[in-house]
Formats: sequence, C-alpha cells, structure tokens
Amino acid sequence: GAGVSQSPRYKVTKRGQDVALRCDPISGHVSLYWYRQALGQGPEFLTYFNYEAQQDKSGLPNDRFSAERPEGSISTLTIQRTEQRDSAMYRCASSLWSGLAGGNEQFFGPGTRLTVL
Amino acid sequence: AQKITQTQPGMFVQEKEAVTLDCTYDTSDPSYGLFWYKQPSSGEMIFLIYQGSYDQQNATEGRYSLNFQKARKSANLVISASQLGDSAMYFCAMRGDTGANSKLTFGKGITLSVRP
Repeated sequence: GAGVSQSPRYKVTKRGQDVALRCDPISGHVSLYWYRQALGQGPEFLTYFNYEAQQDKSGLPNDRFSAERPEGSISTLTIQRTEQRDSAMYRCASSLWSGLAGGNEQFFGPGTRLTVL
Repeated sequence: AQKITQTQPGMFVQEKEAVTLDCTYDTSDPSYGLFWYKQPSSGEMIFLIYQGSYDQQNATEGRYSLNFQKARKSANLVISASQLGDSAMYFCAMRGDTGANSKLTFGKGITLSVRP
C-alpha cells in the first residue's frame, strides 16, 4: 500500500552536471506525471506517460530535459548540463489512468529538491 | 488553455471557525474537473476534494466542501470547524476530461493560518 516514492529526496549538484531523478508510482497506476514547483508557487506540468508511452512533453522547458518510463512503472527525469535556474522541487504523481471519470485524482510523491550551485 | 486564479493574501482563521478559500478558473473545455490539494510545511501534496463540471451537487469530504458556481467559474473550498493542523498552503487545480488533457493546472496557492 505504499504511495508514490521519489529518490533522491535532495540533490545538490554543480552547474553543468547531469542529474537523474527517479519516481516509483503506486502499483497498478497507468498514468505518471512530472511537475516542477518553484518556492511559493503551484506545481507546473512537465510531461506525462501512460504505461511506457510518453503522451505529452509540452511542459519540458528545453531539450536538456527528458523523461522515460521504459517498463511502464518506474520513471526517470533527466536534466543534462544543469543550470542554476533548474533549481526547484520536482514532483512526480500517478493516477489509475488518465481519464477523469470519478475524479481519478493524482497522488503526489514527496518530491526531489534539486539545488544547482 | 486553462487558468486558475487564487488571489487571496494569507488567510487567518480562529480555531473551530469556518473559512472559505477562493478559486476562480477559466477554460474552454466543455467538461473538466476541479481539485483542491493541501501542502503543509512538510511539503507533501495531499488531495482533499474533487468536483466534476457536470456534477449536480457540490462535493463534500468530511470537513471540506466545495462551493461550485459554474456560471461564475468559481470553485471555493470551505473548511468547517478549523483545526490547528489545517494550517498549510492550499492549491486549487483543474484538468480536462480526456487523457490528452489530463495534466493539472494549479493556482499560486493560498496560505491558511489557524489561530488557537
């Protein structure tokens, strides 16, 4: 009955380094979403998957950001050549599927706090 | 495009009293869903309540209720009998009704402080 888990919880890196953020969704959840949350703001959408297929990546800021979910479960968000402006909380969420029937709320993980020095 | 507006400054309420947190939205989708999430200082995002745009009745979940006024495009959260543990940031969010439009669009949030 575990919820959404993310690792690492905190990541400090130097500008120019690559980072990989991991998300383990609730078992059986088809849909997985990535959001980014700046301090004092609401989360902003990055990308989402149904099973292993990336359905929408319109929120990825630029081509340094990529995501995958190769086996339809765990997902990795990768940021290449990190910049200071990438510093934020990165949150993953999962839901049973991507439709709206019954609400189908998204359950959020604890997030990864990324700091780029 | 969807937009959520939360413009209240920090809100204060006395313990055991009710409080209303405002949310207005804009969308061209004929069918959509509205959500409220709570984010305490620990940083978690906790789902509170959901309202579908075609639901006939306002949603309720325990001490939480949603005052949905479709014509005004508002979806205010009402917390009854406030508790100290309700002190947190509250986010209103919306999404469309299809998989292609399932991403959540969030407002900027409202900080609620409950006074003993």
